[in-house]
Amino acid sequence: AQKITQTQPGMFVQEKEAVTLDCTYDTSDPSYGLFWYKQPSSGEMIFLIYQGSYDQQNATEGRYSLNFQKARKSANLVISASQLGDSAMYFCAMARGSSNTGKLIFGQGTTLQVKP
Amino acid sequence: NAGVTQTPKFRILKIGQSMTLQCAQDMNHNYMYWYRQDPGMGLKLIYYSVGAGITDKGEVPNGYNVSRSTTEDFPLRLELAAPSQTSVYFCASSYLAARNQPQHFGDGTRLSIL
Repeated sequence: AQKITQTQPGMFVQEKEAVTLDCTYDTSDPSYGLFWYKQPSSGEMIFLIYQGSYDQQNATEGRYSLNFQKARKSANLVISASQLGDSAMYFCAMARGSSNTGKLIFGQGTTLQVKP
Repeated sequence: NAGVTQTPKFRILKIGQSMTLQCAQDMNHNYMYWYRQDPGMGLKLIYYSVGAGITDKGEVPNGYNVSRSTTEDFPLRLELAAPSQTSVYFCASSYLAARNQPQHFGDGTRLSIL
């Protein structure tokens, strides 16, 4: 069975510091994609970053990077130089490559609060 | 660009009533999805569609129905609303179903069943 686990219900970080949000996944499919989405208090879902199972390098998008450890089945999101606007809920999600449907499985999310 | 548009944004229903949540996208995406998000939880897939005329169940389809008569529209129908269907509903779309295609989400419909 496919599963995404986010073990940190809530995290605090000081403004301008870096923070790591944990995500582990379980799948027997060799082809898959991992996504991170941000959900601010306004409720919309914002795509942040993507990592493919066959990608050799860790994904980066501006202040976001993904620490992908395939053998440990983890895909942690690293936010550098945190800003007050980073306060939000963050979701890790997975799409199986073999399903050809694009269906996403989401974790339960981590609430991040950035302190001034 | 409008992207994915959901209507209404908020709705209160009485138990047993029915309603349709509307979703439209203007990106010519083939794949569309309906998710629900219960308080403090992640999103769960209700139904999805890989193209006009083709729909399939997701993880939590009971109590819902969908149709896809056009590429643009993917309405979600609630029949006989129950308190357990109180949730935030998100519609999403993507051009391909490839594992590397991020889904584009609407702003959600907040639904309360009383």
